[in-house]
Amino acid sequence: QVQLVESGGGLVKPGGSLRLSCEASGFTFSDHFMTWIRQAPGKGLEWVSYISNNGITIYYADSVKGRFTISRDNAKKSLHLQMNSLRADDTAVYYCARDGAIEGWFDSWGQGTLVTVSS
Amino acid sequence: SFELTQPPSLAVSPGQTANITCSGDRLGDKYACWYQQKPGQSPVVVMYQDDKRPAGISERFSGSNSGNTATLIISGTRPMDEADYYCQAWDSSTVVFGGGTKLTVL
Repeated sequence: QVQLVESGGGLVKPGGSLRLSCEASGFTFSDHFMTWIRQAPGKGLEWVSYISNNGITIYYADSVKGRFTISRDNAKKSLHLQMNSLRADDTAVYYCARDGAIEGWFDSWGQGTLVTVSS
Repeated sequence: SFELTQPPSLAVSPGQTANITCSGDRLGDKYACWYQQKPGQSPVVVMYQDDKRPAGISERFSGSNSGNTATLIISGTRPMDEADYYCQAWDSSTVVFGGGTKLTVL
């Protein structure tokens, strides 16, 4: 079955960096576009970034553009999010999710990893 | 920028029909999808491409999208349907989520 497992979250000071990873299994990773979505404590879902199956097409939300970098390693079936210049309002649970179709819906989600930005 | 608006909350009695709306400029020209999120859990897609139900989702869930409004319809609402529901659409290479609707089954 499809499984997505995020890791790399933790406590970081404002201005710091963190790299999130998402390990995929149970499907042909290189066939699917992937995304990162976050949810601040007690708040709604916020899209962060999106990457095509071959890594060529990449989109970012305005709130993270220039600070976050999405990437993937199809050989290792992994998705990454490099987060730099972190701010308090980046505090959230970060989910990786699989796109069910190109620019479609997200049909499988990981359990999420918590990122806390605080001094 | 494109925005999706949902009512923050909706309360229904068991057995009633819940209509959760999502409004956005010419949303009917795009595909809408819906996610259910229960406390402490990851979101699950319950409707995609306006009115398609993923495998494993109850037939009590249906959807529509026309004009400026997409609607998730839950027939015969049960206590297990109590959750937060989010609509989502794409606009100009951007994923947009609605603010979410907390469905309470009284």
